[in-house]
Amino acid sequence: ETGVTQSPTHLIKTRGQQVTLRCSSQSGHNTVSWYQQALGQGPQFIFQYYREEENGRGNFPPRFSGLQFPNYSSELNVNALELDDSALYLCASSLNVGGPETQYFGPGTRLLVL
Amino acid sequence: GQQVMQIPQYQHVQEGEDFTTYCNSSTTLSNIQWYKQRPGGHPVFLIQLVKSGEVKKQKRLTFQFGEAKKNSSLHITATQTTDVGTYFCAGRDYGGSQGNLIFGKGTKLSVKP
Repeated sequence: ETGVTQSPTHLIKTRGQQVTLRCSSQSGHNTVSWYQQALGQGPQFIFQYYREEENGRGNFPPRFSGLQFPNYSSELNVNALELDDSALYLCASSLNVGGPETQYFGPGTRLLVL
Repeated sequence: GQQVMQIPQYQHVQEGEDFTTYCNSSTTLSNIQWYKQRPGGHPVFLIQLVKSGEVKKQKRLTFQFGEAKKNSSLHITATQTTDVGTYFCAGRDYGGSQGNLIFGKGTKLSVKP
C-alpha cells in the first residue's frame, strides 16, 4: 500500500449540504493533489497543495476549496453540494523536488449526494 | 485545453492473449504515467516515462513513450486473470501546473480464463 490514507471511506449527503474530506499523505511527501473520479471516467484534477498553498487548480468552481496543514495532511471542502458531485474523491501525495512527480493515490472517499 | 485520449475503451481477451492500450495527447507532454485500477479500488502507480522514445519493461508489461512525446502505449504479453482492471494513462504538459495530471478515460481489461 501507498501509506496515503483518506477519511471517511463512504459518505452520503443531501443536495445543498457541505462536506469535508481528509487525506494524510505518505511519510516524507510534501504535496497533496485532489481528484474527482466519476463512475466510468478517469480522475479529474481538482487542485494541488504544496507547502500549505494552492499550487495549481483544475476546472472546478470555487465551492471546491482545500487546505494543507503543516504536517502535509490536507482537506477538501465542497459547499452547496450538487447531485453531480457524487463521485470517488481521491487524494494523491507526492514529493515536490522540482522534477517530475510520481503521485501515490489513497483509497478514496465515495461521496453520494441525494 | 489539453486532452488525453485512450483507446480502446474496453478489451476482452482470452487468458494468454496479448493486450495493448494506446494513449494520445493533444499537446506535447513533459512526462506520462500509467496507473492500474482494480474494480472498486483506487489507481495504483505502475510507471513514469519522461524521455522521448523511452521504453520500459516490468515483467510482462512494456511501456513506450513516443518520439514526439504525444503518445504512449502499454502492452501486456500473455495476459493473466490478475491483469483484470482499468488501465489509465496520465500526462502532464509543459504548460500545466506541476500537479495537473490529465487522465485518459482508461481501458477496461477483462480476461476470460
